[in-house]
Amino acid sequence: QKEVEQNSGPLSVPEGAIASLNCTYSDRGSQSFFWYRQYSGKSPELIMSIYSNGDKEDGRFTAQLNKASQYVSLLIRDSQPSDSATYLCAVDHNAGKSTFGDGTTLTVKP
Amino acid sequence: EADIYQTPRYLVIGTGKKITLECSQTMGHDKMYWYQQDPGMELHLIHYSYGVNSTEKGDLSSESTVSRIRTEHFPLTLESARPSHTSQYLCASSEYIHEQFFGPGTRLTVL
Repeated sequence: QKEVEQNSGPLSVPEGAIASLNCTYSDRGSQSFFWYRQYSGKSPELIMSIYSNGDKEDGRFTAQLNKASQYVSLLIRDSQPSDSATYLCAVDHNAGKSTFGDGTTLTVKP
Repeated sequence: EADIYQTPRYLVIGTGKKITLECSQTMGHDKMYWYQQDPGMELHLIHYSYGVNSTEKGDLSSESTVSRIRTEHFPLTLESARPSHTSQYLCASSEYIHEQFFGPGTRLTVL
């Protein structure tokens, strides 16, 4: 079992829809959780971080964390074609050394 | 402006050459990382550092070496490049909150 697993892609949604990206992790001691966006040929960039159970909203993005279920998700509301990218879930279980998932590729169709 | 830089951005070299990929950050971050990523594939951590004179190997075995003599500088060296080293190399840094900031990457091609 991988330490960080993301729902297999690719994921395709129509413009304006909600895109839901999921991630599970194996280390119960994990404390910090991140979502990065990576456009094709570019470097990952941080879009959300979450540290406690519940929801965290930032514009069209909402991160959800459930430590009991070892589950973290990212919702993108009103999806735009510019949201088309690979989304990486990262979990910090060892003070400053994150483990990244394989990524889920999202395509938003106009 | 606080940022993280990588040079060169693109490098094409022949087999057997020694190369050094440069990474510098102006954010004063203690932690720095090197990742290897093939196109469309996952990130692999190859080296990391928690501060000056601290370096550790990552999850993916690599023939490269790193050094951390100054906080802002974390170069990666390949003593003898091979075609199997062809990949994109990403440098990142973070502070205590662990969010990582990535440089633009170096795309290496070994012929």
